[in-house]
Amino acid sequence: DTAVSQTPKYLVTQMGNDKSIKCEQNLGHDTMYWYKQDSKKFLKIMFSYNNKELIINETVPNRFSPKSPDKAHLNLHINSLELGDSAVYFCASSQEPSAKGETQYFGPGTRLLVL
Amino acid sequence: GNSVTQMEGPVTLSEEAFLTINCTYTATGYPSLFWYVQYPGEGLQLLLKATKADDKGSNKGFEATYRKETTSFHLEKGSVQVSDSAVYFCALTNNDMRFGAGTRLTVKP
Repeated sequence: DTAVSQTPKYLVTQMGNDKSIKCEQNLGHDTMYWYKQDSKKFLKIMFSYNNKELIINETVPNRFSPKSPDKAHLNLHINSLELGDSAVYFCASSQEPSAKGETQYFGPGTRLLVL
Repeated sequence: GNSVTQMEGPVTLSEEAFLTINCTYTATGYPSLFWYVQYPGEGLQLLLKATKADDKGSNKGFEATYRKETTSFHLEKGSVQVSDSAVYFCALTNNDMRFGAGTRLTVKP
């Protein structure tokens, strides 16, 4: 059973389009995250939700909007895609929010390419 | 604020060589420290962790010791294998989570 799953795995789209990436975890965790990994492998947190409530919102363009319909899902919607949005996006989850000693479990990533 | 600095890569070693990837951190209080590994085409997965000073995390032959006096958590392995080729991330949690920039390791037969 996949613990943290993301769809789609690959996403190729034109500049200006709107797209969504879905994430689901079956670990029973309370906290979920979105990360962006650039071409140099640098990993940057974007958002974190705990029990469906936003708790971390780093400096991210407001074209990016997370939505958590329930504790097991955290989707990422991106409006008006730009070339610089091309990256790998990872979803992750943990039992508690970034608390001491918490391990995060990562999904396989969604490779977004904006043309 | 909290931050993690790890040695820049890429690192290329021959099979059975000794590996060290340096990691130092800045944080107030007592953070927890982690090493995550990312194999090609996959997400990150926990390799090992330590939650208090002088703790040693170990897994799959890798080790790292939480050194508060030097604010370090260096990753070591005595004899690397080709299958260890991956990107390694040092990270900390201390009311938030910070990752290092990642170090790419390539092990050649």
